[in-house]
Amino acid sequence: EPEVTQTPSHQVTQMGQEVILRCVPISNHLYFYWYRQILGQKVEFLVSFYNNEISEKSEIFDDQFSVERPDGSNFTLKIRSTKLEDSAMYFCASGPTDTQYFGPGTRLTVL
Amino acid sequence: QKEVEQNSGPLSVPEGAIASLNCTYSDRGSQSFFWYRQYSGKSPELIMSIYSNGDKEDGRFTAQLNKASQYVSLLIRDSQPSDSATYLCAVAGFQKLVFGTGTRLLVSP
Repeated sequence: EPEVTQTPSHQVTQMGQEVILRCVPISNHLYFYWYRQILGQKVEFLVSFYNNEISEKSEIFDDQFSVERPDGSNFTLKIRSTKLEDSAMYFCASGPTDTQYFGPGTRLTVL
Repeated sequence: QKEVEQNSGPLSVPEGAIASLNCTYSDRGSQSFFWYRQYSGKSPELIMSIYSNGDKEDGRFTAQLNKASQYVSLLIRDSQPSDSATYLCAVAGFQKLVFGTGTRLLVSP
């Protein structure tokens, strides 16, 4: 059964550094998403991506964040200058419609 | 601002019992509703979707939707210790899901 995959599983970085989180969505899906979950809190929407452009973004997704689909399979989330409060689990999801399937997540720790 | 409300629990049930998990939402225009299961430290796993008023059954799981009351529920029959997890209710908005905080379910042997 196809799955969303994410790398790395855990990323530790220093405050102010750039990080890139990578995702491979399920191959025939058209919609791609990033969510985050701070420890002990709810899953929060960051951004959705369709037809090679951002279709919706949340207030969290400010100028420090960007997304790309650099080739036909990968989908990336970049954080340009990480802050302590960016420490969270970051989940990629994909779906054929509004049904979304989540990857295993990347745990980002900002020191 | 769309809101999705769940009781955080924990909801404790004995093995073999029916677990009933509830969710309310604020946007009356919402059309698509989802239940996810999340084990500690893991990602949300889709259990069921529901779009129409009434019940939808899948194995031991039944989702119930009442749009007039803005209420979604999930029933788990014959609960097993392996069902112990946090259950997330999610409501589809435009190009996103809005999640509740989740209800923690504990099934004791």
